[in-house]
Amino acid sequence: GAVVSQHPSRVICKSGTSVKIECRSLDFQATTMFWYRQFPKKSLMLMATSNEGSKATYEQGVEKDKFLINHASLTLSTLTVTSAHPEDSSFYICSARESTSLGSEQFFGPGTRLTVL
Amino acid sequence: DAKTTQPPSMDCAEGRAANLPCNHSTISGNEYVYWYRQIHSQGPQYIIHGLKNNETNEMASLIITEDRKSSTLILPHATLRDTAVYYCIVSPNFGNEKLTFGTGTRLTIIP
Repeated sequence: GAVVSQHPSRVICKSGTSVKIECRSLDFQATTMFWYRQFPKKSLMLMATSNEGSKATYEQGVEKDKFLINHASLTLSTLTVTSAHPEDSSFYICSARESTSLGSEQFFGPGTRLTVL
Repeated sequence: DAKTTQPPSMDCAEGRAANLPCNHSTISGNEYVYWYRQIHSQGPQYIIHGLKNNETNEMASLIITEDRKSSTLILPHATLRDTAVYYCIVSPNFGNEKLTFGTGTRLTIIP
């Protein structure tokens, strides 16, 4: 299947700083990417849909000014957690949807573990 | 999106077939059934998807009932590496539809 990468794989930062997470589709172009957050022993919760060349669509309850999303190219989306606080510590996962003649499949990145001290 | 119901956990002996059920009684005509799994601290891995016909690939088989209200994912010869949380999701298979994850089934393969 298609490959989606994330960078960094884990990051530790001080409270109040901003952290940028990159999501790349390595062997296909993705007009849409998705950002999820997962707390320990919980399921994935969709945060936002990232659309290439336009504004992201955020799920209810997700602060768009805190979680900045930029999807500047067909292979790269970034999530910036601004002014991070300990409660933002979580596992952040991106995915990208590849469209083929058989429909579309969604492939996930390996995740980024954020720890805010 | 239609919701799915899965048992919270299951055990299966190594080498045996693992059968994971999923109920999706409110599935609509344009929604496919997707299965993903997540091994601890990794991103979800795509397994298989189908609309109404049974599907098989190198990882698993998907059996969908005729009324499409339920399905079963079959791992034919489970190994210890198949221990993971398995998610059954229904979603349209076009455009940029998002996937909504439920709580999944935690499958433990026992040596």
